Amino acid sequence: GENVEQHPSTLSVQEGDSAVIKCTYSDSASNYFPWYKQELGKGPQLIIDIRSNVGEKKDQRIAVTLNKTAKHFSLHITETQPEDSAVYFCAASMRLRNSNYQLIWGAGTKLIIKP
Amino acid sequence: ETGVTQTPRHLVMGMTNKKSLKCEQHLGHNAMYWYKQSAKKPLELMFVYSLEERVENNSVPSRFSPECPNSSHLFLHLHTLQPEDSALYLCASSRWTGRGYTFGSGTRLTVV
Repeated sequence: GENVEQHPSTLSVQEGDSAVIKCTYSDSASNYFPWYKQELGKGPQLIIDIRSNVGEKKDQRIAVTLNKTAKHFSLHITETQPEDSAVYFCAASMRLRNSNYQLIWGAGTKLIIKP
Repeated sequence: ETGVTQTPRHLVMGMTNKKSLKCEQHLGHNAMYWYKQSAKKPLELMFVYSLEERVENNSVPSRFSPECPNSSHLFLHLHTLQPEDSALYLCASSRWTGRGYTFGSGTRLTVV
């Protein structure tokens, strides 16, 4: 079946440094790639997404890049802060029957920001 | 609050019990989902409802039974669960399937 691989599983960076999380997907028909942040005791929250007709998207300190040919996309967080510590999930869309879609999820990256 | 409310937040049940999880959204979304989240595993999609019609049942055991009486409410009925069913159960909604999910905070289920 279709899958999304996410690396690394744990990432520890010094406060103020940048963090990069990478995902690869298998379904060449995927056209939507969101990133979610999950803090302790909460459900995942959408932080940024990108569609397949765009190569890069930025929102303040976070950015996502997409390489459709290689079927991989990455999350970049610059000037990391303690509140960025969380688990981050990538996902890729997959078509279901009757024009419905679902998201295929990566296994998550635990990001630790060291003070 | 995200706009998706799940109750209860925590549930401990025996293997012979019957219980239900509830999810409610008033975001005007047309799709709702149940996910199972276990440690160190990807989010596992269980059920997808679009306009109150089930569009995906991801090989979930029959001891889990979903119900979507209207586009704002989603239930997951549980009976004769196993200890390996212990996990965080997340509900999400979106305007249309596959885009812009809003998640609830989840129900932490422990089966003893």
